[in-house]
Amino acid sequence: AQSVSQHNHHVILSEAASLELGCNYSYGGTVNLFWYVQYPGQHLQLLLKYFSGDPLVKGIKGFEAEFIKSKFSFNLRKPSVQWSDTAEYFCAVTATGRRALTFGSGTRLQVQP
Amino acid sequence: GAGVSQSPSNKVTEKGKDVELRCDPISGHTALYWYRQSLGQGLEFLIYFQGNSAPDKSGLPSDRFSAERTGGSVSTLTIQRTQQEDSAVYLCASSFLAGGYTDTQYFGPGTRLTVL
Repeated sequence: AQSVSQHNHHVILSEAASLELGCNYSYGGTVNLFWYVQYPGQHLQLLLKYFSGDPLVKGIKGFEAEFIKSKFSFNLRKPSVQWSDTAEYFCAVTATGRRALTFGSGTRLQVQP
Repeated sequence: GAGVSQSPSNKVTEKGKDVELRCDPISGHTALYWYRQSLGQGLEFLIYFQGNSAPDKSGLPSDRFSAERTGGSVSTLTIQRTQQEDSAVYLCASSFLAGGYTDTQYFGPGTRLTVL
């Protein structure tokens, strides 16, 4: 069965610091990869997604992620975080034969002003 | 346009009672998913509807859970004889099925269920 690992459970950064959140998945076939964000009191929103093509994908609010197939990774990055980026971030995967999302456990990001 | 809507936003019930949670997907979306988000288990898939096909029920945790989708639109998730471990936020998502498996799911605000 496929699984998704997010190793950073809680990250605290100061504004303007760079961010990288790790995501690794276990599945040998073709995957689609997503990062969702949940701001305090709000519902899950799509940040970015990878289906095929350029492995470096750009999303909303200055976020980007790089798909590295050989490492089964899809890490999320942002060069300079803002206080408004405080939220919980979820990496998720769908795969051939499974449309439902498999989520990682989430990373809570706290940005201090 | 309107997003996915869910009702009620909060539901408090007593152990042993039945509850119904409702989801209105985005208009035109043919696929509908239920997930739940709990502290101990994170985000888990429950059930998936695609058009007129038989639903994928592989994520339902017990036979106390069931769901239906009427007319290819609105869906109701029913939990019978609720238990305290059913307390969670129940999320609905919908997608417009593109070719292959490249559809994007859009989530509703969830229903927070508390079983006393």
